[in-house]
Amino acid sequence: DVKVTQSSRYLVKRTGEKVFLECVQDMDHENMFWYRQDPGLGLRLIYFSYDVKMKEKGDIPEGYSVSREKKERFSLILESASTNQTSMYLCASSSATGWGTEAFFGQGTRLTVV
Amino acid sequence: AQTVTQSQPEMSVQEAETVTLSCTYDTSESNYYLFWYKQPPSRQMILVIRQEAYKQQNATENRFSVNFQKAAKSFSLKISDSQLGDTAMYFCAFMKHPTGGYNKLIFGAGTRLAVHP
Repeated sequence: DVKVTQSSRYLVKRTGEKVFLECVQDMDHENMFWYRQDPGLGLRLIYFSYDVKMKEKGDIPEGYSVSREKKERFSLILESASTNQTSMYLCASSSATGWGTEAFFGQGTRLTVV
Repeated sequence: AQTVTQSQPEMSVQEAETVTLSCTYDTSESNYYLFWYKQPPSRQMILVIRQEAYKQQNATENRFSVNFQKAAKSFSLKISDSQLGDTAMYFCAFMKHPTGGYNKLIFGAGTRLAVHP
């Protein structure tokens, strides 16, 4: 059974804290993504990675950074958490062979910044 | 830039009935993929159905089918014989042919579907 696992389902952090969201996939996928999900806005792409140590900005990268040191792990970093980063964060992975391939998602991390 | 619009924030249907969720998109591309993803209350997003723009035949997956109208840029999802387990948030998504070596999904805002007994 294919799996994308996010380290936490719920997280509460204080304003100004450095926050790490971890994601691990076991499908040997090249592509990994971080999305942010907000009501009425759908999913918006923050960052993605198509290879180890490679990353590209998505549509809303401000205030975030990412790290991919190993193929199976993709971390999202909030350098200094702010209340407007309170949201649901979804990690996904997909194969780079061909296109139109299915993206597999983690169960999401609901982050609250107080 | 591509956009995906889901004009129905919420819908409800009785068990065993049929419901159609709407999706329109805007693109100048000629070849692309369209997807419907389902996010149940457990939050695990799963693929429901996928359609390649060059294929004229509408995709079907058991009780789920699409009505793909390329000229109208419309991609609706029909759920037949609705079941309580179909209660979920449904997202329409667009993927253009990659030029930068990656497959980027653009999502609509979602439609929350409630199936009632």
